[in-house]
Amino acid sequence: EAGVAQSPRYKIIEKRQSVAFWCNPISGHATLYWYQQILGQGPKLLIQFQNNGVVDDSQLPKDRFSAERLKGVDSTLKIQPAKLEDSAVYLCASSPGWTGDTQYFGPGTRLTVL
Amino acid sequence: QKEVEQDPGPLSVPEGAIVSLNCTYSNSAFQYFMWYRQYSRKGPELLMYTYSSGNKEDGRFTAQVDKSSKYISLFIRDSQPSDSATYLCAMKGTSGSRLTFGEGTQLTVNP
Repeated sequence: EAGVAQSPRYKIIEKRQSVAFWCNPISGHATLYWYQQILGQGPKLLIQFQNNGVVDDSQLPKDRFSAERLKGVDSTLKIQPAKLEDSAVYLCASSPGWTGDTQYFGPGTRLTVL
Repeated sequence: QKEVEQDPGPLSVPEGAIVSLNCTYSNSAFQYFMWYRQYSRKGPELLMYTYSSGNKEDGRFTAQVDKSSKYISLFIRDSQPSDSATYLCAMKGTSGSRLTFGEGTQLTVNP
């Protein structure tokens, strides 16, 4: 079974630029999560999709971050404009159900904002 | 105050040692507890999942939950160099599926 795929793996941008990350979850998984993991910290949930609807985006900085999940499969996370404090690893995870008990994580995209 | 506090480490032990990793939490709503292992430059992978207070064993790993003290632990017996990773505790309540993670403990097992 293929795992969660993410691209790109690394991205370096300057502040005020925009950036987008892509995630392809495990086939058949209804729930998709985006997390931000700052160096030395645990992952923090940014947004959760159930199929193509948003379930929880309470911790998403909506003035600069946006996310969508088209057709309930792939998802993109965008930052515009980026700030220095957005430097982090952005992890995508998926789970077959909605309870979140078993989440499968992708390798992440490491973003550096200069 | 953070909802989840995890012993920060780093922790360095010799091969074969018993390792104890610990988290405390303040939110009584947390009822489900997980331990994730994260290798360098990889995503976290689920190791253990528990609900009840008490112990749950899986091979060399034992997860312990004490809800009365709001304290969870992960024990690794006969530690191996391949166990070298960051270990993250995570927990959630009964409503919703948002996980709250600890900051992680970096473990190094020396041959």
